[in-house]
Amino acid sequence: GDSVTQMEGPVTLSEEAFLTINCTYTATGYPSLFWYVQYPGEGLQLLLKATKADDKGSNKGFEATYRKETTSFHLEKGSVQVSDSAVYFCALWRYSSASKIIFGSGTRLSIRP
Amino acid sequence: EADIYQTPRYLVIGTGKKITLECSQTMGHDKMYWYQQDPGMELHLIHYSYGVNSTEKGDLSSESTVSRIRTEHFPLTLESARPSHTSQYLCASTRRPPPVGGLAKNIQYFGAGTRLSVL
Repeated sequence: GDSVTQMEGPVTLSEEAFLTINCTYTATGYPSLFWYVQYPGEGLQLLLKATKADDKGSNKGFEATYRKETTSFHLEKGSVQVSDSAVYFCALWRYSSASKIIFGSGTRLSIRP
Repeated sequence: EADIYQTPRYLVIGTGKKITLECSQTMGHDKMYWYQQDPGMELHLIHYSYGVNSTEKGDLSSESTVSRIRTEHFPLTLESARPSHTSQYLCASTRRPPPVGGLAKNIQYFGAGTRLSVL
């Protein structure tokens, strides 16, 4: 079945460091891929998405490119801020009768001032 | 901006009590979901609904039940709460996906969650 595997955390970085959170997926066909973010005490919110191969999703300085050849959707940011401290979830959705989103296990990111 | 609301945000209750967690959305979305989020952050789908009078069990077995009498409302009920039910519960909704061949934009919108503690 479909699945998402993401980098285990927690990840701790200093402010202005470069961030990469790895995400790989297993799915038949052409799923849509997402990154969601969960700030402390809140629900999840969509950070960015990509719907086809080679698409690049971007938002708030974060980027991720849909790589079908490596079945990956790694999240990157060039210079992180303390306010980026949160839990990040990679997810996929594939059109089917079930139509459920499959989430990865989440990666907790902490940024030191 | 998503309009999906969960109440209460926090609930502390004794063992054996009946509780209902409320979830409402004003976006007219057909599909709604309940997730249980454990302390390790992982999300577990426990219930979902495709529309009015439709409810399905999710991937994780749960003693809770749900109902969908109105499009906008998807409450979750525990008939007899136990300490093992202590968790964060997240509600989400999404519109019906487009037909095959259209753009796939199945974005889920989440409520802020209910943190339940059963003593």
